[in-house]
Amino acid sequence: ETGVTQTPRHLVMGMTNKKSLKCEQHLGHNAMYWYKQSAKKPLELMFVYNFKEQTENNSVPSRFSPECPNSSHLFLHLHTLQPEDSALYLCASSQDRLGSYEQYFGPGTRLTVT
Amino acid sequence: AQSVSQHNHHVILSEAASLELGCNYSYGGTVNLFWYVQYPGQHLQLLLKYFSGDPLVKGIKGFEAEFIKSKFSFNLRKPSVQWSDTAEYFCAVNTYSSASKIIFGSGTRLSIRP
Repeated sequence: ETGVTQTPRHLVMGMTNKKSLKCEQHLGHNAMYWYKQSAKKPLELMFVYNFKEQTENNSVPSRFSPECPNSSHLFLHLHTLQPEDSALYLCASSQDRLGSYEQYFGPGTRLTVT
Repeated sequence: AQSVSQHNHHVILSEAASLELGCNYSYGGTVNLFWYVQYPGQHLQLLLKYFSGDPLVKGIKGFEAEFIKSKFSFNLRKPSVQWSDTAEYFCAVNTYSSASKIIFGSGTRLSIRP
């Protein structure tokens, strides 16, 4: 049990759909992250939130919209995605936003855009 | 730009063989270094980390890694692998100039023949 849960685990959506990914951490951490994991590519950091405030946006297209209502929950709202956005989306949390802290990862949401 | 290179994409070994996975990073300043592991069907989890002090760090399950500053390397080693070590291994770097970012390598898939 990682302490970080993600729903749904699998998602298939068309390019005109709107959907949301949800992440919840039960570890009392203050920082939360969204990553994109594509085959044969490095894990790409998308967003960082610390105490509900966005501290990092790694040049992510606006069709990805994060939301962090509190330190335990993180959402990724998706709209008008492209097929190349198909990937595994990972959520992580850490005690603080400083990269020196260990990050705890969720199981990921496997997204397929058709 | 900072980057992490893992030159071996797929390594195949027999049980009891010795393992060394390469990791090199490009950054001249102070770094924190990590190895994460992703077992089949499981989430990413921390294997070991280096912040300061003894450059030879020991992690879980008999893994160790050595930080060689002059070579910008942080190679992962295990003297005798087991079938259960089959997984994907990711090297990651955090730099003081990007406090909240961890840069991941593209991963090395390790397959162990029983």
